[in-house]
Amino acid sequence: GQSLEQPSEVTAVEGAIVQINCTYQTSGFYGLSWYQQHDGGAPTFLSYNGLDGLEETGRFSSFLSRSDSYGYLLLQELQMKDSASYFCAVISRNQGGKLIFGQGTELSVKP
Amino acid sequence: NAGVMQNPRHLVRRRGQEARLRCSPMKGHSHVYWYRQLPEEGLKFMVYLQKENIIDESGMPKERFSAEFPKEGPSILRIQQVVRGDSAAYFCASSISGANVLTFGAGSRLTVL
Repeated sequence: GQSLEQPSEVTAVEGAIVQINCTYQTSGFYGLSWYQQHDGGAPTFLSYNGLDGLEETGRFSSFLSRSDSYGYLLLQELQMKDSASYFCAVISRNQGGKLIFGQGTELSVKP
Repeated sequence: NAGVMQNPRHLVRRRGQEARLRCSPMKGHSHVYWYRQLPEEGLKFMVYLQKENIIDESGMPKERFSAEFPKEGPSILRIQQVVRGDSAAYFCASSISGANVLTFGAGSRLTVL
């Protein structure tokens, strides 16, 4: 089987930096993705890590350590519009290459 | 580029009726995934299809649920004899190849009375 763990809620203030951690257990690990979802709307792709290290896209960065089965999403210069749910998701060869999502982290950005 | 189009956006059915949810993937995308989401929960994988083929249906309940992606036309998720527990948001996603980057539709929200 496989499992993903991420915090259920995180609160931060505008302008701050927040890190959302994700640990996973899966066989045949292929990559880790992050998605953002506002108010139950369409999830949108943020980043993908297939290799160890940091991927940076504007204010968002994502990190992966395959040896630790761990990754994180880093959000810098937080804005009110960043308040949303953030999901980590793994791709596993042993699971047919499909994307399996964690339960999500609800981020609240306060003024 | 219209993105992934799902319809209907909202569907109300009484117990025992059938629900049909449609998904047109992004232009050029031949991989379609269906996910189900309950309030305050994550997205649960249901089925992965390519044109005319079901690749992985390990997340689909064995009874009442079926999916197809015909050569022409949208992918269809069909739920027969709906029950209250089927009430959820059903999201479709598509990709060019594989699950590295999925583009999601806005979802279809099914309410079973």
